[in-house]
Amino acid sequence: DGGITQSPKYLFRKEGQNVTLSCEQNLNHDAMYWYRQDPGQGLRLIYYSQIVNDFQKGDIAEGYSVSREKKESFPLTVTSAQKNPTAFYLCASSTTGVPNTEAFFGQGTRLTVV
Amino acid sequence: KNEVEQSPQNLTAQEGEFITINCSYSVGISALHWLQQHPGGGIVSLFMLSSGKKKHGRLIATINIQEKHSSLHITASHPRDSAVYICAVRSYYGGSQGNLIFGKGTKLSVKP
Repeated sequence: DGGITQSPKYLFRKEGQNVTLSCEQNLNHDAMYWYRQDPGQGLRLIYYSQIVNDFQKGDIAEGYSVSREKKESFPLTVTSAQKNPTAFYLCASSTTGVPNTEAFFGQGTRLTVV
Repeated sequence: KNEVEQSPQNLTAQEGEFITINCSYSVGISALHWLQQHPGGGIVSLFMLSSGKKKHGRLIATINIQEKHSSLHITASHPRDSAVYICAVRSYYGGSQGNLIFGKGTKLSVKP
């Protein structure tokens, strides 16, 4: 079955450490997105990529980095520069070039920094 | 003011009740999505609308483009419908191409 896989589901890290969240899709989608969700707030865009080897900052990119070396994979690194990294992170993908295209979401990774 | 507003924020219903969740938006859009997020956190897409009405099982979604408003209805609600329902719009203008703008969600709890 096609879908998006995020791993791990729960992640704990010490303050000051970088951590990488995995996102893989087998839907052959060109576009991939990373969102952050905090209690009582809507999802906010961190980074997105519409093609391999290219990505763009979203609304809250500071303290995060991404890569897109393969179409299927879009890992997100939460760096020590991110002031409030504890949050729920969601990865999504969609086709591009089609105006009204459906987005597919992963199951999310809950990151807790202690 | 948020570009996507949902109401109510929280909703408690008895099993069998008819439920309505509302979404208003202030930007020009090409599509509107209704999403469901269960306690575990994963999100499932329920509907994508650009006009009119769609129905899937006990769920009905409507959109009025002129009024910039959409509703999600659940008929004969069941405890398994308990989740957070999120409205998201795909804007025509600026920002990240293809990006969705999300409402804060409506937390629905259906009691047996």
